[in-house]
Amino acid sequence: GAGVSQSPSNKVTEKGKDVELRCDPISGHTALYWYRQRLGQGLEFLIYFQGNSAPDKSGLPSDRFSAERTGESVSTLTIQRTQQEDSAVYLCASSSGAGNEQFFGPGTRLTVL
Amino acid sequence: AQSVAQPEDQVNVAEGNPLTVKCTYSVSGNPYLFWYVQYPNRGLQFLLKYITGDNLVKGSYGFEAEFNKSQTSFHLKKPSALVSDSALYFCAVRGDTGRRALTFGSGTRLQVQP
Repeated sequence: GAGVSQSPSNKVTEKGKDVELRCDPISGHTALYWYRQRLGQGLEFLIYFQGNSAPDKSGLPSDRFSAERTGESVSTLTIQRTQQEDSAVYLCASSSGAGNEQFFGPGTRLTVL
Repeated sequence: AQSVAQPEDQVNVAEGNPLTVKCTYSVSGNPYLFWYVQYPNRGLQFLLKYITGDNLVKGSYGFEAEFNKSQTSFHLKKPSALVSDSALYFCAVRGDTGRRALTFGSGTRLQVQP
């Protein structure tokens, strides 16, 4: 597709379960970002991948959060032992370079019961 | 550390009137500045950016923004608002060195009344 895609669009899980969120960036985009948006709030940076460089994990809120990226393609964000405060929309974005605008996916709405 | 302030949670304007959504920032080095819009149940859409060059930047849907280095501001403007402009607007910044990810403001809800 032409844009960034994310799956699933919605995820409801029980507290303590693990979840995996997927992002397919725009083809050819070397940079990929994950953000979290809690209800009524701005975006909170989580992690950034740029090519084959070591990812910038400085935004991950706890060691329950991790992310991987396969080359310059798909990325997976994993949240282990989910907590209710993890409920949010998780947004993925990609860009063709560090100074260029980021294109956002539609997000995954995560609800932890 | 970098930060963005959007001092207004909501801006109300009548259709046809000019609108301004305010943004100030703090960043190390030279700023890269962006505006995004979020419509209900839709993802963020890029509006415009300032990297270098002219202080007045023109973007999508008739929006423009003015970079003011001395005031560290990047206010979003439009000469004549439309009802369809009603949405949530986010200002974002990153420096030309250091962390590449954007720091976003808390957002300003624009309500354009017919």
